[in-house]
Amino acid sequence: AQSVTQPDIHITVSEGASLELRCNYSYGATPYLFWYVQSPGQGLQLLLKYFSGDTLVQGIKGFEAEFKRSQSSFNLRKPSVHWSDAAEYFCAVGARGSQGNLIFGKGTKLSVKP
Amino acid sequence: GEEVAQTPKHLVRGEGQKAKLYCAPIKGHSYVFWYQQVLKNEFKFLISFQNENVFDETGMPKERFSAKCLPNSPCSLEIQATKLEDSAVYFCASSQSKAGNTIYFGEGSWLTVV
Repeated sequence: AQSVTQPDIHITVSEGASLELRCNYSYGATPYLFWYVQSPGQGLQLLLKYFSGDTLVQGIKGFEAEFKRSQSSFNLRKPSVHWSDAAEYFCAVGARGSQGNLIFGKGTKLSVKP
Repeated sequence: GEEVAQTPKHLVRGEGQKAKLYCAPIKGHSYVFWYQQVLKNEFKFLISFQNENVFDETGMPKERFSAKCLPNSPCSLEIQATKLEDSAVYFCASSQSKAGNTIYFGEGSWLTVV
């Protein structure tokens, strides 16, 4: 069955520290991969996406993610976290050839302490 | 418009009442998607449209839920005879016609069934 697992429900990091949010997927073929961020009461904003090519993807707000096919992972990283990064982060996968039928992980809540 | 516009932002319905939510996709986007987010975290794909045609409705509950995207009108998601478990945030999203294009989400409509 197709699924996305975000093992960490809640992560707290200090401002300025590095961040890695984990995402593992189970999918029949190579999927499209996405990371979205949701601030309280807001919709989803796309941070970055992987379709093909370079497995290290750069996104907005200083985020990057690396697709590792052998590990079925697409972890999100940021070298130095800012207080404004506190939000809920969702990893999602979609099938090539489909349009918008995304499977989301359950999210990781990021808290940033001063 | 430049963003996916959803109305209303909040809707309260008594059990058994009808609820109708609206979505105006970004101008020029041919695909519209509806997602349901329950318990603040779990996203469930409901249905997608390519222009006014249903593209994928594999996530739509067979009973009580219906959706339309008619020309020159906002798209709509209607729930007949609402139940308590329909309480959720309903997100609309849109994308351009090419497969794999970025999917832009609206800010959601919060439905509370009491």
